[in-house]
Amino acid sequence: GEDVEQSLFLSVREGDSSVINCTYTDSSSTYLYWYKQEPGAGLQLLTYIFSNMDMKQDQRLTVLLNKKDKHLSLRIADTQTGDSAIYFCAESKMKGGSYIPTFGRGTSLIVHP
Amino acid sequence: NAGVTQTPKFRVLKTGQSMTLLCAQDMNHEYMYWYRQDPGMGLRLIHYSVGEGTTAKGEVPDGYNVSRLKKQNFLLGLESAAPSQTSVYFCASRQSGRGADTEAFFGQGTRLTVV
Repeated sequence: GEDVEQSLFLSVREGDSSVINCTYTDSSSTYLYWYKQEPGAGLQLLTYIFSNMDMKQDQRLTVLLNKKDKHLSLRIADTQTGDSAIYFCAESKMKGGSYIPTFGRGTSLIVHP
Repeated sequence: NAGVTQTPKFRVLKTGQSMTLLCAQDMNHEYMYWYRQDPGMGLRLIHYSVGEGTTAKGEVPDGYNVSRLKKQNFLLGLESAAPSQTSVYFCASRQSGRGADTEAFFGQGTRLTVV
């Protein structure tokens, strides 16, 4: 199986909440990340969470971490059309003595009026 | 404040041609990475470097070579391009640190088409 798994698509109505889910494999990951990719652009760090935290809130974003189940989620409150993008979950996986950012396939979030 | 810069941004190659993609970062980062992004596949690691003069293979290294002669530059080479190498290539860098405590910064990508 893949190291980081997430669903490929999510469609929501403007103003609703969006929840993007992710599962990962490396229990030693210290940090877990959410990156956002807008069309034609590179990836930008959206938020991250330390592995010893259960939740992190940053304005409209809430990250929940269930370390036991290796499950990470990103909730976007009051989703706007500008939130339409691909969202990547990432863990830092130990390889050869260093941590390598390892990404899921990305979830395409489509926000419609 | 340039961050991570990739050149070129677009390129069309014929099968069998060679080329080099350049990644430059001005943040004095130790670690640099080359990924390829394909539809529905996410980002897959090609090669990476943990410091000047070092390189290592990632998940999909075949058909690519890399060099890190200077700390700020990480070059990705295609010796004999194949259509399967049509992709968007992203470079990233991050500061070294204990564990994974640093953000990875990405370039804007290079869109490569091999015909």
